Amino acid sequence: SAVISQKPSRDICQRGTSLTIQCQVDSQVTMMFWYRQQPGQSLTLIATANQGSEATYESGFVIDKFPISRPNLTFSTLTVSNMSPEDSSIYLCSVGPGLGTEAFFGQGTRLTVV
Amino acid sequence: GENVEQHPSTLSVQEGDSAVIKCTYSDSASNYFPWYKQELGKRPQLIIDIRSNVGEKKDQRIAVTLNKTAKHFSLHITETQPEDSAVYFCAASKDSNYQLIWGAGTKLIIKP
Repeated sequence: SAVISQKPSRDICQRGTSLTIQCQVDSQVTMMFWYRQQPGQSLTLIATANQGSEATYESGFVIDKFPISRPNLTFSTLTVSNMSPEDSSIYLCSVGPGLGTEAFFGQGTRLTVV
Repeated sequence: GENVEQHPSTLSVQEGDSAVIKCTYSDSASNYFPWYKQELGKRPQLIIDIRSNVGEKKDQRIAVTLNKTAKHFSLHITETQPEDSAVYFCAASKDSNYQLIWGAGTKLIIKP
């Protein structure tokens, strides 16, 4: 199993500013995933972050808006840049699944942009 | 690419009755199908999963069935209890990239 510590758990930010979300995993993992989840909706994949390479972004998400760092096999950050109220959501990091393992999630970051 | 459809979006059952949630997928290369439970304000947690080499898997009151030919899989919860109330998500992935494709979710309501 994997334990993921994600912070901050929540934040209220002014529009036009940026917020960096951190995820620390208690074991080394190749791939980490960043999701956005609007209240009452499913998870939408933002990007896949591999250590040592550029993150791969899904359609509708761009690096300038959601830059990701992956400096080592246990840590990643997602920055939400130049925020607007439309960015208000829950952001989740995840590891897995892999061969014989399930996917695990951080506790989520509830972001409100005012 | 892969697409996962999940039905129903809301399911209300009497406590003690059974609940069934169904998902279909489009990519025949998908070979891993987990079900996640998400309680309000919490992270998704795995409740059961199945791989494509197995047709059915059971864990106490929870079971998952998979029909590879029809490309659908279902979650069965028997003897439902109030603590089963939550949102349930199905997903599909394949070993080539491990990326989970999620269903839209089912809000399960257990009526006392």
